[in-house]
Formats: sequence, C-alpha cells, structure tokens
Amino acid sequence: DVKVTQSSRYLVKRTGEKVFLECVQDMDHENMFWYRQDPGLGLRLIYFSYDVKMKEKGDIPEGYSVSREKKERFSLILESASTNQTSMYLCASSFGGLSLFNNEQFFGPGTRLTVL
Amino acid sequence: KNQVEQSPQSLIILEGKNCTLQCNYTVSPFSNLRWYKQDTGRGPVSLTIMTFSENTKSNGRYTATLDADTKQSSLHITASQLSDSASYICVVTGFQKLVFGTGTRLLVSP
Repeated sequence: DVKVTQSSRYLVKRTGEKVFLECVQDMDHENMFWYRQDPGLGLRLIYFSYDVKMKEKGDIPEGYSVSREKKERFSLILESASTNQTSMYLCASSFGGLSLFNNEQFFGPGTRLTVL
Repeated sequence: KNQVEQSPQSLIILEGKNCTLQCNYTVSPFSNLRWYKQDTGRGPVSLTIMTFSENTKSNGRYTATLDADTKQSSLHITASQLSDSASYICVVTGFQKLVFGTGTRLLVSP
C-alpha cells in the first residue's frame, strides 16, 4: 500500500513564526504536491514538484515555499505565518509520466494548522 | 472558466438506503474524472476514475457514471453503511491541472 505520512496532525503556531510541514512517501513517486483545504473552497494547489530539487508554483503560492532535497520528502515552509494561513494542509504524491496530473494522487492524513 | 460543482452540499440518509451524488463540470480539455472519499480528519482516498470513453464504473457498493456530452457525473451508493459517512469529492483532470469540487458531506444515520 502507498503510504504518505505528514509530520504532524495538529499544529498551533503564532503569527510571524516560521513553520515547517513535512511530508514523506514510501512508493518512490516522482511527483509530490501540497494543497490546502478550507471549508467551501475545496482543495487548492500551493506547490508541486516533479523531481528532486524541482518545484513549480500552484494556484496559491504566495506566502509559502517548498523544498525537495530527497525524492521521498517534500517540505512546505511558511516563512512568516499569518492568521489567514490557518487551514488543513494535505500532501499528496503520484507516479510520474507525460502528464503530471493524470496519475492518481495518494494523500497523506493532513496537518491542521492554527495560526494565532 | 474551469469549474467543478457538486450537489447537494450535504445529505443525511438512513442506514441501508441508497443515495446519488452529482458532479457537473466545465473543465476543458477533459482527461479524466475521479471520485474521492474523505473521512473526517483524513486525506482523500480514490474510489473510481473514469476516462472519456467510460460510462460507468463500480467499486463495491459505489457506482460512478459519466456523461461526457453533458459533462455530468454521479456517484451512487447502494445499501449505505455508517462507514459511508464522509465527504465525497469530485475531481476533474484538465490540461496540466486538477480541478476539485467542494464536496458533498454525507451523513448516514442509524
């Protein structure tokens, strides 16, 4: 079974703090993704990566950065957390291919981040 | 504009009953459509995937249909169980993009 794990299920941070969210997958997937999920808005893509050290902006990258130093690990960084970044953060991974988005994405359990 | 709209927003049914969830999309070009189930506090899990040429696909008590002409899909749940209580998300793959619906929240009541 594909397993995508995220470092924390719940996280509480203060405004201005630097926040690291970690994601690890064990299926040797090429692609990894970070989403945030807010009520009534559905999942929105923040960043994705199709290879080690490669990263692409998604639909809402402002206020976030990412790091992919190893194939199995994809980190989301909030440089200076703000209250509007309070959300559920979901990591996903998928096999590579001609189209980044055609293959099934496997999701982690999510990290519920609260910024006070 | 690429959009995926789901209805109803929420639904309560009695255990053992059937239900149908709807998904309308305007994503173009169309590559495939997936239904995901998301339990509370968990990440989404794929139930079915359908391509342009497929009209129906089943996964146990879940049956998805696709009408590519009208750009509509439905997810039918047969003989519902308490464990079916979850959010169901319709996701359409377009050109280098996934478009997510906002989901239908289903509650199966004993």
